[in-house]
Order: sequence, then C-alpha cells, then structure tokens
Amino acid sequence: GEDVEQSLFLSVREGDSSVINCTYTDSSSTYLYWYKQEPGAGLQLLTYIFSNMDMKQDQRLTVLLNKKDKHLSLRIADTQTGDSAIYFCAERLTGRRALTFGSGTRLQVQP
Amino acid sequence: DGGITQSPKYLFRKEGQNVTLSCEQNLNHDAMYWYRQDPGQGLRLIYYSQIVNDFQKGDIAEGYSVSREKKESFPLTVTSAQKNPTAFYLCASSPRQGVSGYEQYFGPGTRLTVT
Repeated sequence: GEDVEQSLFLSVREGDSSVINCTYTDSSSTYLYWYKQEPGAGLQLLTYIFSNMDMKQDQRLTVLLNKKDKHLSLRIADTQTGDSAIYFCAERLTGRRALTFGSGTRLQVQP
Repeated sequence: DGGITQSPKYLFRKEGQNVTLSCEQNLNHDAMYWYRQDPGQGLRLIYYSQIVNDFQKGDIAEGYSVSREKKESFPLTVTSAQKNPTAFYLCASSPRQGVSGYEQYFGPGTRLTVT
C-alpha cells in the first residue's frame, strides 16, 4: 500500500544545514518529489529525483535516495530564515499520474 | 506569464449551498488535479483528469464533482453532500507522459469556509 511519512517539525539555526527526512512504503515508486509551502500559499516544486538515482544536487538543495530502506532526504545547506516553511515529500507510483503526499515537515529557522 | 490560477482566494458559503472553485492553467499541461488540505495535514486527492472530457475519482471524491470541457480549465464543485467542506483547496497540473518527471505544479489555492 501507499504510505509516505515525515517527521512533523524541525528547528535549526540560520546558517546551519537542515535535513528533512521521508520514508515511503511502496517500492514501485518511480519519482519522488520535494515541495515547499509557505503560509496560505500553494505548493512550490523544489526538486524531484527518479527512482534509479541515488543523489541529486541543485544549488543549496541535495536529495538523497536510499531505495533499500525506502528513505528520502532533503538537505538544505546554509539555511536561511526564508526557508522557514512546510516541506512535503511525495511519491509517484508506476502507472499512476496522481501523487501521494506525506503530512509535511514544518521547518523553523531561528536567527 | 505561464501558470495556474485559482479564484477566488477566499470563499465563504452557507451550509447547504453548492459552490464552484475555478482553476485555469496556461501551461499546456494535459493532466489536472484537485487536492484538499486540512490544517496540519498533507494533501488528499479529490479528482484528477488526464485529458479533456475524462476524469477519475481520487481518494475523497464523495460530495464533489468536476468537469473538463477545456484543456485549460478544471472547475471543482463542492456540493451540499460534502459533510466537512471547510478546507484549503489546491489545484495542480502536470505535463504529458514522457516529458520530464511528471511533476505537478500548483496554484495558489482557495480557502473555502462554510458556516
């Protein structure tokens, strides 16, 4: 079955790295995504990774995928106060167009 | 400017009334989606459409209806049969199969309050 889980809250200091974790249960995932949601707004696509990749880097963002453990992480380097938001991971399963989302991790960046 | 628009941003209705939420995209995407978000929760899929004149129920379709008469538009009607309609509604679209990673792009959302 489909289940995507994330921890609820993460607090870091400005300038530190943030690591947001996500686990999923369905091994037929083809793509995995990270979205950012600021208060009262829609979701902004940050990055995605194909399931045959282990890592993807895009400026301050690094995505790591461990398929054996079904674990996905998003690392934000040099975290800024503007990074404070809720971060959602999502998976797309083979043969499905719709995504399955986790509950979101609220990232709080302290000055 | 390419993107997805949802209107209105805030919507207030009395219980027992149907209400239609608008979603328009000019990204030339084939697929469109409606999600519902409740406080402190993730997104749940209501309906999605892969092509014009075709749509499928998502995980929580009861009390909702949609239409897809044009590629650009995918309106959602919240009917009086929906027991807990107050929520934040998000519309999304994604490109055709074979183009990048099927990523979904979201509109700004409509916050519906029913009293």
